[in-house]
Order: sequence, then C-alpha cells, then structure tokens
Amino acid sequence: GENVGLHLPTLSVQEGDNSIINCAYSNSASDYFIWYKQESGKGPQFIIDIRSNMDKRQGQRVTVLLNKTVKHLSLQIAATQPGDSAVYFCAENIFTQTGANNLFFGTGTRLTVIP
Amino acid sequence: DAGVTQSPTHLIKTRGQQVTLRCSPKSGHDTVSWYQQALGQGPQFIFQYYEEEERQRGNFPDRFSGHQFPNYSSELNVNALLLGDSALYLCASSLGGGHPNQPQHFGDGTRLSIL
Repeated sequence: GENVGLHLPTLSVQEGDNSIINCAYSNSASDYFIWYKQESGKGPQFIIDIRSNMDKRQGQRVTVLLNKTVKHLSLQIAATQPGDSAVYFCAENIFTQTGANNLFFGTGTRLTVIP
Repeated sequence: DAGVTQSPTHLIKTRGQQVTLRCSPKSGHDTVSWYQQALGQGPQFIFQYYEEEERQRGNFPDRFSGHQFPNYSSELNVNALLLGDSALYLCASSLGGGHPNQPQHFGDGTRLSIL
C-alpha cells in the first residue's frame, strides 16, 4: 500500500484552543482523502473528506487543508473540546481499476484535550 | 438510520481454531470492506466485497476469506488462527457501483483474542 503517515504521534491542547493534526502521503495520484476520529473501544468515525481538486474544505468546527505540491494534509479543529480527545487518522482512498476503493491509513495521532 | 453493525463484539479463540465475524452495512450501502487493526496501529485493508464478489484484496493470506450475501451483509472467516491474528476487525460499508470517492463508514468492530 501507499505510505500515509503522520508527523506527530501525540498532541495535547488546552480546552478552547485550536488543534492542528498533520499528515503526509506519498502517492501523488491519490485524489480523495478522509479524516477519521477513533475513540477508545469504537470504530473510526468519519469526520470530513476532501477531493484533490480542492485545497480546503470546512465542516462544523473542522477544516481540512490539502497541499498537493508537498503531499500534505492537515485537520484543524476549532475551539477544541474534551469530547475531541481521540486518535485521529488520515486515510488515502485509492480507487482501483477493478472498481474497488481501498483506504490506506497512517498510524494515527492521539489528541488529548486538557480541561 | 442504522449504521454499520458487527457481531460479536468480543471473541476469544485458541490457536488453530476457525472464526466467523459478521457485518451488516449501513442502510443504502452495497459495498463492504474488512480491515484488521492491531493495537496502536491504523487499520489494514483485508478485502472488499461488491455484488457478492471479492473485488479487491490486501496483503493477507488465504486463511482470510469472506462472503457477501444478497442483502449486502458480509462475513469474514479466518482459518487456522495464529496468535498474531489477535486484533480489532473492522467492517466498513460504502456506496459502490461506480460511485468513486464515497466515504467508508465503519462499525465498532469485533475484538478477537487468540490464546
């Protein structure tokens, strides 16, 4: 699979501050990326996605930025709350010739919000 | 609107045994993917099923097999279990059939422990 990795394995932020989680990918042909949040004992939860024809996409309190030149993704969480504490994964979606779409995950970043 | 459901939630087996895990996709989804997540790592793609056929397979041995039923639900079978098969097994569903760039939605997984 392709290498999708994260720069920082852990991140601690104060409640109310903004969080930025970074991710690098290696396949320049990738055209679709997804951020997932995984809480303890649960499966990955879809947060936001972005297609390669976009540089930025905003959701509720979250923004994803895509820099195709350096093959870098970031997830920004505004006004971080204790409920945001979790492991965050970026995933590279590969659409194959067979019609399948496979996700390649990095190792994740653990976000801890300090009250 | 029910999300992805998996059963059982936990399972304990011994080496050499066989196991079957089950998944019901999110309503409206026709494609099911299976992932293995070892402790502290990101999910690894096992295979994807669409129209009751395996459409893509990751780097897993033939001991791992699957099936998709006409109602889109799916099973993952693992034969001759090894200690290294201990992991969280995740099922994800999505809308296939020529719909690229559709996010996969995950269940909460089955925690498999091999003794």
